[in-house]
Amino acid sequence: GEDVEQSLFLSVREGDSSVINCTYTDSSSTYLYWYKQEPGAGLQLLTYIFSNMDMKQDQRLTVLLNKKDKHLSLRIADTQTGDSAIYFCAETPYGNNRLAFGKGNQVVVIP
Amino acid sequence: DTEVTQTPKHLVMGMTNKKSLKCEQHMGHRAMYWYKQKAKKPPELMFVYSYEKLSINESVPSRFSPECPNSSLLNLHLHALQPEDSALYLCASSQDLVLGETQYFGPGTRLLVL
Repeated sequence: GEDVEQSLFLSVREGDSSVINCTYTDSSSTYLYWYKQEPGAGLQLLTYIFSNMDMKQDQRLTVLLNKKDKHLSLRIADTQTGDSAIYFCAETPYGNNRLAFGKGNQVVVIP
Repeated sequence: DTEVTQTPKHLVMGMTNKKSLKCEQHMGHRAMYWYKQKAKKPPELMFVYSYEKLSINESVPSRFSPECPNSSLLNLHLHALQPEDSALYLCASSQDLVLGETQYFGPGTRLLVL
C-alpha cells in the first residue's frame, strides 16, 4: 500500500528546532520528499532523500530516514516565522515519478 | 528558471459555465500534472501528460477535460462543474516521468463553483 501517515499540528517558538514526522508503508519507495505549502500558495520542494541514505542535511534542514521502521522525519533548526506552513511528506511507491502524499503537518511558529 | 505559472489565480463560475485553467512552464519539461487540493488536505493527482500524451487519468469525471497543446502548455477545461469541485487546482511539471525527477508546482488556481 501507499498510505503515508503524518501528525497534524505543531506549534514551536521562534529560534527553537521543530521536528515533523512521517510514516510510510511502501518499502519499495525509492525517493522520499518534503514539500512546504504556505497559505494560498503551491507546493515548494524543500528536500528529498534517496532510500539508500539514512540522513541528509541541507542548511537548516535535516532529513532522517529509518527504512526498517518506514519512518521519515524533517528537522528544522532555528525555526523562523517564515517556516509557518503545512509540510507534506511524499513517497514514490509506483515505480515512476507519481507521488503519494501524506496528510500534511501544519507548523505554526510563535514569535 | 524553475517557474510554473498558472492562470487565472482565482476563478468563480456557475454550474452551467465553461471555463479553462492554464499552466505553462519553460523548463523543457516533458511531464505535466494536474492536481486537485481541498482545504487542509494533500493534493490528489488528476491527470499526467508525458510527451504531450495523456499517461494517467485517475478516474476523473468527464466534466474535467485536460489538453496539452504543446510541450510547454497544459490546460484543464471545465464544464458543468458541481459545488464540490471547488478547490485549489495545482499544476506541476518534471523533466519526465522517470523516478526521481523533481516535480515543480505552480501557485495554483483557486476555483469556486456556485
